[in-house]
Amino acid sequence: AQSVTQPDARVTVSEGASLQLRCKYSYSGTPYLFWYVQYPRQGLQLLLKYYSGDPVVQGVNGFEAEFSKSNSSFHLRKASVHWSDSAVYFCALFSGGNYKPTFGKGTSLVVHP
Amino acid sequence: NSKVIQTPRYLVKGQGQKAKMRCIPEKGHPVVFWYQQNKNNEFKFLINFQNQEVLQQIDMTEKRFSAECPSNSPCSLEIQSSEAGDSALYLCASSRTQNTGQLYFGEGSKLTVL
Repeated sequence: AQSVTQPDARVTVSEGASLQLRCKYSYSGTPYLFWYVQYPRQGLQLLLKYYSGDPVVQGVNGFEAEFSKSNSSFHLRKASVHWSDSAVYFCALFSGGNYKPTFGKGTSLVVHP
Repeated sequence: NSKVIQTPRYLVKGQGQKAKMRCIPEKGHPVVFWYQQNKNNEFKFLINFQNQEVLQQIDMTEKRFSAECPSNSPCSLEIQSSEAGDSALYLCASSRTQNTGQLYFGEGSKLTVL
């Protein structure tokens, strides 16, 4: 069985501060991993994805994530957040044979001006 | 802006009523997914299609839920007899293939069952 855990339901930071949102996965192989963002009253938008190769992947709007097979993690980072980054962030795992991505429960990010 | 079009954005039903949602996938995407997102942001996979064929579906879908993706028409998800526990955001997503895992989401249809 595969699963995704986002241990922080809510993260609050000040504008300009750095950010890390945590994602841990459970899967015996090497999965495809994704981070999506959901703004209020909108669908999910892809921030970045990891398939293979360089464990640090760059995404949109200054976001990056680092894959660690040894830690079964795919944490999302941003050097300096903006108030407009306030949203819910979802980590997702795809294992190929299962055909349907598995999502974490999301982390709600609140950025104070 | 989403290229996956979901209608309606909001629907309100009484218990026992039928609820129907539609989805037009992104052009060139033969794979379509339906997920239910509850108020706690938990995603529940419901069903997926490749073209008109069902790939996978959960047991719940087989009972009160039905879905289809007919050729040259929007995909649809229908709840035959709505229950309060069905209140959720229903997200449609599409993908180019079964093998990439990257989904393109619509804005969702928010169902409220009174």
